[in-house]
Amino acid sequence: QKEVEQNSGPLSVPEGAIASLNCTYSDRGSQSFFWYRQYSGKSPELIMFIYSNGDKEDGRFTAQLNKASQYVSLLIRDSQPSDSATYLCAVKLPGATNKLIFGTGTLLAVQP
Amino acid sequence: GAVVSQHPSRVICKSGTSVKIECRSLDFQATTMFWYRQFPKKSLMLMATSNEGSKATYEQGVEKDKFLINHASLTLSTLTVTSAHPEDSSFYICSAAARNEKLFFGSGTQLSVL
Repeated sequence: QKEVEQNSGPLSVPEGAIASLNCTYSDRGSQSFFWYRQYSGKSPELIMFIYSNGDKEDGRFTAQLNKASQYVSLLIRDSQPSDSATYLCAVKLPGATNKLIFGTGTLLAVQP
Repeated sequence: GAVVSQHPSRVICKSGTSVKIECRSLDFQATTMFWYRQFPKKSLMLMATSNEGSKATYEQGVEKDKFLINHASLTLSTLTVTSAHPEDSSFYICSAAARNEKLFFGSGTQLSVL
């Protein structure tokens, strides 16, 4: 079983809709979870991070964490064509280091 | 967010030559930096963890003699791809961890080995 799993997509949503991106992880001891956005040919950019169960909102983005189900998601409200990118879920493994394990990413396509 | 500078952004080299990639944290000190590689349409694969003042920790399957990592200061880590071959062609990305655990990435280096 992969440590961090994401549906590779593409996930296609119309402009203005809510995009829902999902991620599951295997290590129950994981404490920190991150969402990165990566445009083609560019390096990842941190969008959101979440440590506690529940929802965390930042502008149009909401991260949701359910540690019991080992599930983390990212909601993007009022999706814009500029949101079209690959979204990478990353999990910090237990321990003192800041090593992140990345999922394969979900390609989001927002249709104008 | 914190700024991580990576240089060069693109390099083309002949097979058998060595290529050095630099990663600098510009506005914070990073005791730990990470090196990833990414193939087209694939996710980031962690290659190694670079620790300031000590040897790097390599992930399973990554040849430490081929991918030399030096972390000489709190703001600079370098990755040298030695005796590069076409199969080493990839997008190499460094990252540095700030105090608050957030990981910030350099702009990446596209390596093409002819």
